[in-house]
Amino acid sequence: DAKTTQPNSMESNEEEPVHLPCNHSTISGTDYIHWYRQLPSQGPEYVIHGLTSNVNNRMASLAIAEDRKSSTLILHRATLRDAAVYYCILLNNAGNMLTFGGGTRLMVKP
Amino acid sequence: ETGVTQSPTHLIKTRGQQVTLRCSSQSGHNTVSWYQQALGQGPQFIFQYYREEENGRGNFPPRFSGLQFPNYSSELNVNALELDDSALYLCASSLLFRETYNEQFFGPGTRLTVL
Repeated sequence: DAKTTQPNSMESNEEEPVHLPCNHSTISGTDYIHWYRQLPSQGPEYVIHGLTSNVNNRMASLAIAEDRKSSTLILHRATLRDAAVYYCILLNNAGNMLTFGGGTRLMVKP
Repeated sequence: ETGVTQSPTHLIKTRGQQVTLRCSSQSGHNTVSWYQQALGQGPQFIFQYYREEENGRGNFPPRFSGLQFPNYSSELNVNALELDDSALYLCASSLLFRETYNEQFFGPGTRLTVL
């Protein structure tokens, strides 16, 4: 399975944008890039996913490099509630097994 | 719309015992997956059930088994508990339609402690 590499932790100030990077140099053509996050004492929750084009939804934006070997999750205005562990996951379209790595722990300072 | 629920929230067992964890899927979902999350680590995929049959399995021994019922609720059974089985067990439901992935919705988990 293609693997992802993320920084262990990042810090941000409240109401500032946050860019969470993910490297996936061995990504295959059929792998979608998914992001989940896990708030303290909760199960993970879906954030966003994409294949080639940049994607936007109410929670975040996903910027995918042209060669697809890296991607960035963008939170446009971080809030204290966004403090969580963010996981970048590669998944085939028909895949069913989310393979979580260590993720990035995002800390948001007031 | 009711989300994914799990029971119990906490459980303490002793080594060698057996445990059953329960999950109710989100309404309209036909697939349930189970994950094990050790302290400080990301969740690890145990298995997935689709239409009451196992539809994929991670690197877990056979003493981890499951069931999915006609109403799409599910059970995770673990026999011969070991100390390393202490973890948060997460259930996630999703809709599998025409082999297209849809997001998984996670429950709050069951915290299992094995003494």
